[in-house]
Amino acid sequence: DTAVSQTPKYLVTQMGNDKSIKCEQNLGHDTMYWYKQDSKKFLKIMFSYNNKELIINETVPNRFSPKSPDKAHLNLHINSLELGDSAVYFCASSQVVSGSSETQYFGPGTRLLVL
Amino acid sequence: GDSVTQMEGPVTLSEEAFLTINCTYTATGYPSLFWYVQYPGEGLQLLLKATKADDKGSNKGFEATYRKETTSFHLEKGSVQVSDSAVYFCALSASGGYNKLIFGAGTRLAVHP
Repeated sequence: DTAVSQTPKYLVTQMGNDKSIKCEQNLGHDTMYWYKQDSKKFLKIMFSYNNKELIINETVPNRFSPKSPDKAHLNLHINSLELGDSAVYFCASSQVVSGSSETQYFGPGTRLLVL
Repeated sequence: GDSVTQMEGPVTLSEEAFLTINCTYTATGYPSLFWYVQYPGEGLQLLLKATKADDKGSNKGFEATYRKETTSFHLEKGSVQVSDSAVYFCALSASGGYNKLIFGAGTRLAVHP
């Protein structure tokens, strides 16, 4: 069974469209994350949810809106897509333990190409 | 703020050569340190980690030691294989907070037969 899954794996769309990426984890973790990997492979965190509550919100345009319907799911909705949004988006999950940095488990990534 | 600096790649080696990928960090407090690996077309996998000074993480022949005095976490392997070709990311997770991972820029390793 896949621990962290993302759909779709590939997404090609036109500028100005709105699209969503879905993420699900079956590890029983309480915290989920979205990271963006640009064309130079640089990875940067975007958002994190703990028990459905937003806890990390880096400097991300408000066209990006995460939604966590429950602990096992974290979706990413992007409005008015721009060329610069083309990247690979990774979902991850971990179990937050007070005073400890637990391993994050990553999904396979969603490759978004905006034309 | 916290940051991670990795040696620039690509690193090109012949099979069975010794590998070192340098990683240094800047952080307040006592972060946990990680090496993740990304094989072509795939997501990130945890390779190894260390949570306190002088800890050594190891997996699949790779090793890295958490050196607080030099703020380093260099990745080493004694004999690389073609199958080790991938991009390697050093990362830290700051103490406290919610496990936000801060990544280095990644180092691409290419191993030739």
